[in-house]
Amino acid sequence: SYVLTQPPSVSVAPGQTARITCGGNNIGSKSVHWYQQKPGQAPVLVVYDDSDRPSGIPERFSGSNSGNTATLTISRVEAGDEADYYCQVWDSSSDHYVFGTGTKVTVL
Amino acid sequence: EVQLVESGGGVVRPGGSLRLSCAASGFTFDDYGMSWVRQAPGKGLEWVSGINWNGGSTGYADSVKGRFTISRDNAKNSLYLQMNSLRAEDTALYHCARGLVPAAMTFDIWGQGTMVTVSS
Repeated sequence: SYVLTQPPSVSVAPGQTARITCGGNNIGSKSVHWYQQKPGQAPVLVVYDDSDRPSGIPERFSGSNSGNTATLTISRVEAGDEADYYCQVWDSSSDHYVFGTGTKVTVL
Repeated sequence: EVQLVESGGGVVRPGGSLRLSCAASGFTFDDYGMSWVRQAPGKGLEWVSGINWNGGSTGYADSVKGRFTISRDNAKNSLYLQMNSLRAEDTALYHCARGLVPAAMTFDIWGQGTMVTVSS
């Protein structure tokens, strides 16, 4: 089955840039989606199809995808960005949705 | 307001059964594929099962295949998950989620979830 690997944690100071990676075999050939989940809340889609943002999501959230790594970038990080972030793809070989292992972003 | 509200969770013994429901409102339910996604306490997200707009196509994670059945009633704007032969490892918060159109490769709306605890 297809595996998506994320770093367990990322720490960033307010106003700086956070980059969260999502590794998978030839992930650049797939569409990658990203979710933000705050404690006790449901996940929220923040980036879809590698780099598109749903309405209401700040431009500070952006995504890229190439080769074996996709990246979610959060610019000008704010305290409210502290959350768990998950990447996700559709694996056509198994007809399964696959989630990454998740990354906890801490704002220092 | 677009909303998904899950219900039906609870405590059940290993080997038991439970039926989860998800009530949709604020959008045309039968325009969308739907899925169930679960999250064990302190763990990550795991896709459980999905169904297309008319119920004609379904899919299951390997961990639940043969034990869980997804269904929908478009007349009632509702999604269901029948869970049989429950195991301790099925303990989780179960969310229903709407597939983002048109390709439904991701989920744009999530419910808050209903908790299932499998314990003797």
